[in-house]
Amino acid sequence: AQTVTQSQPEMSVQEAETVTLSCTYDTSESNYYLFWYKQPPSRQMILVIRQEAYKQQNATENRFSVNFQKAAKSFSLKISDSQLGDTAMYFCAFMKQNFGNEKLTFGTGTRLTIIP
Amino acid sequence: KAGVTQTPRYLIKTRGQQVTLSCSPISGHRSVSWYQQTPGQGLQFLFEYFSETQRNKGNFPGRFSGRQFSNSRSEMNVSTLELGDSALYLCASSLVGSRTGAFFGQGTRLTVV
Repeated sequence: AQTVTQSQPEMSVQEAETVTLSCTYDTSESNYYLFWYKQPPSRQMILVIRQEAYKQQNATENRFSVNFQKAAKSFSLKISDSQLGDTAMYFCAFMKQNFGNEKLTFGTGTRLTIIP
Repeated sequence: KAGVTQTPRYLIKTRGQQVTLSCSPISGHRSVSWYQQTPGQGLQFLFEYFSETQRNKGNFPGRFSGRQFSNSRSEMNVSTLELGDSALYLCASSLVGSRTGAFFGQGTRLTVV
């Protein structure tokens, strides 16, 4: 079974600063996907970024980027130039790469607050 | 393109009753998954449906069931409600094989009193 660990329950940062959220995972699978989801107070889960485990290049989406360390089983999210709208719960998630599986295993989340 | 639609948004039920939640996936998405979110247990996988068949199931009692229709819309049912079933129930749809990730609805907030 897979487990996902987010060791930072809460974080806060000043607007325009850079913040990094940590995520580690445990799996015996060699092929998988990793995701970061954002859940603002509206409760809508929004996909922020995804990473395929077989790709060495770190994924980037505008101000969001990841640091994927496969050997260390680490998958951190960096938010640059943070904005007030980035205030939300952030969840790291794991999905096995095999047809017939769409199950996501989530971490416990990090509550991020952007301070004006 | 419309997103994932869940109805109703809020529900209040009494212990012992049953409830049915509905989810309409993004057009073209044939996989629908359900998750339960609570402050104590976090996000937990309930089950996943593809082409009207349950492919995966989480560790929940048999009181939790679901189904998927030919148009990919899905329903989940909880019978004999318990206070501990109070949660946010999230539905997610995905385009199988694309691995773009799952897209979530806004959830149904169920309160059992």
